[in-house]
Amino acid sequence: AQSVTQLGSHVSVSEGALVLLRCNYSSSVPPYLFWYVQYPNQGLQLLLKYTSAATLVKGINGFEAEFKKSETSFHLTKPSAHMSDAAEYFCAVRVITGGGNKLTFGTGTQLKVEL
Amino acid sequence: ETGVTQSPTHLIKTRGQQVTLRCSSQSGHNTVSWYQQALGQGPQFIFQYYREEENGRGNFPPRFSGLQFPNYSSELNVNALELDDSALYLCASSLASRTGGSNEQFFGPGTRLTVL
Repeated sequence: AQSVTQLGSHVSVSEGALVLLRCNYSSSVPPYLFWYVQYPNQGLQLLLKYTSAATLVKGINGFEAEFKKSETSFHLTKPSAHMSDAAEYFCAVRVITGGGNKLTFGTGTQLKVEL
Repeated sequence: ETGVTQSPTHLIKTRGQQVTLRCSSQSGHNTVSWYQQALGQGPQFIFQYYREEENGRGNFPPRFSGLQFPNYSSELNVNALELDDSALYLCASSLASRTGGSNEQFFGPGTRLTVL
C-alpha cells in the first residue's frame, strides 16, 4: 500500500532561517507526490507536485522539494522562512483506486516561525 | 474561473441526526472527492465521484453516502451521526479520465461539522 510519513509534528524556525519539512514515502510503483499547505480554518492549497519529471520541483511561495528515490524521500524546503509561512503542511501520495485515484495524506507538520 | 465552494461553512448537529454537505466543483472539472479531517489529523479519503458514479471509496461505513449531479456538483450525506463524525469535511475537484492520470485536486474551504 502506498503511504507517506511526516517526521516531526511540530517544527519551529526563526524568521529568515531555512525551513525543512520531512516526508518519506512508501510505494511499490513510481509515486506521484504532493505538498499542501493549510492555514487556520481553511482548506488545502497545493504548494507543489512531483509527477516523475524533474526530481527537483519548485512550487509557490519560494518552496521546493526534491524527490530522492534512493532515500524514498520528498522533503520540503524554503531557504528563508517568513512569518506568513506559519501553517500546517501535508505531504500526500496519489493512490490509484479502481478507475480513479485518491490522495493519502501524512499526519501533517505544524510550522511555527518566530521573530 | 470559479474555485471549489462548499456549504455550509459550519454546522452543529446532535448524535443520531442526518446531515447533507454540498460542494460545487471548479469550472470544467468532472470529478469530486470527499475527505474527512479530524482535529490534528491529515485528511482521510471518503469517496470519489466521476461522472455521477462512485469511483473509489475509503474505509468509511455505508452511512456515509454521496451524490454527484449532472453539473458535477456533489453532496455528502451522513446518517445516524456519531460524536466521532465531528471534523472538517473537505471537497476536492479535478479533471480526470477513467485511466486516472495526473489529476491535481483543488480543495474547497471545507465544512466544519460538530456533533453534540
